[in-house]
Amino acid sequence: DAGITQSPRHKVTETGTPVTLRCHQTENHRYMYWYRQDPGHGLRLIHYSYGVKDTDKGEVSDGYSVSRSKTEDFLLTLESATSSQTSVYFCAIRLTSGGDTDTQYFGPGTRLTVL
Amino acid sequence: AQSVAQPEDQVNVAEGNPLTVKCTYSVSGNPYLFWYVQYPNRGLQFLLKYITGDNLVKGSYGFEAEFNKSQTSFHLKKPSALVSDSALYFCAVRDEDNFNKFYFGSGTKLNVKP
Repeated sequence: DAGITQSPRHKVTETGTPVTLRCHQTENHRYMYWYRQDPGHGLRLIHYSYGVKDTDKGEVSDGYSVSRSKTEDFLLTLESATSSQTSVYFCAIRLTSGGDTDTQYFGPGTRLTVL
Repeated sequence: AQSVAQPEDQVNVAEGNPLTVKCTYSVSGNPYLFWYVQYPNRGLQFLLKYITGDNLVKGSYGFEAEFNKSQTSFHLKKPSALVSDSALYFCAVRDEDNFNKFYFGSGTKLNVKP
């Protein structure tokens, strides 16, 4: 599992409230990703990071922000949660060396419900 | 824009029979293609990838995938299915312009019946 944990694993919140999801890795990987998984859509990239304080948008970044103040933690924030953000969120790291280059390892996921 | 498509939402196969999970891609250059598997309530796990070289790629758990440039396909195969192969399978492609981005298909649920 490449030492990836996500917290919380489950969260129920109300529309309009801010929510922060945390991804933590223990193996000093440079690249980290946030995806959301929805039926019929597979996984869609929200944001990714290529180093401390270096982030970029994915295909569904509206309504989300991220921060990476240290290598091991990548935070995803929903500034004002909406029901359309009800989803399962996955964090991933990407390997960048040797034969495993570009392979991603995923965390266990966070199931978020916005009422 | 690059993308992958998985035309089947679900594939049913009997244990012991060969299985194929289909994926087609849309990339103007040479694609970097991946297969991942997701078991219930788990994150995705890497199975195999194609970057260059042999069109038949071997991966984890006895799976293999065949890259076909003329048909723009990258189908996942296994000669003899196991009940334990039942899971959700995703095809993915790396962005041609931004190597840091990846696009996933919508997923195919594989059901292997005893």
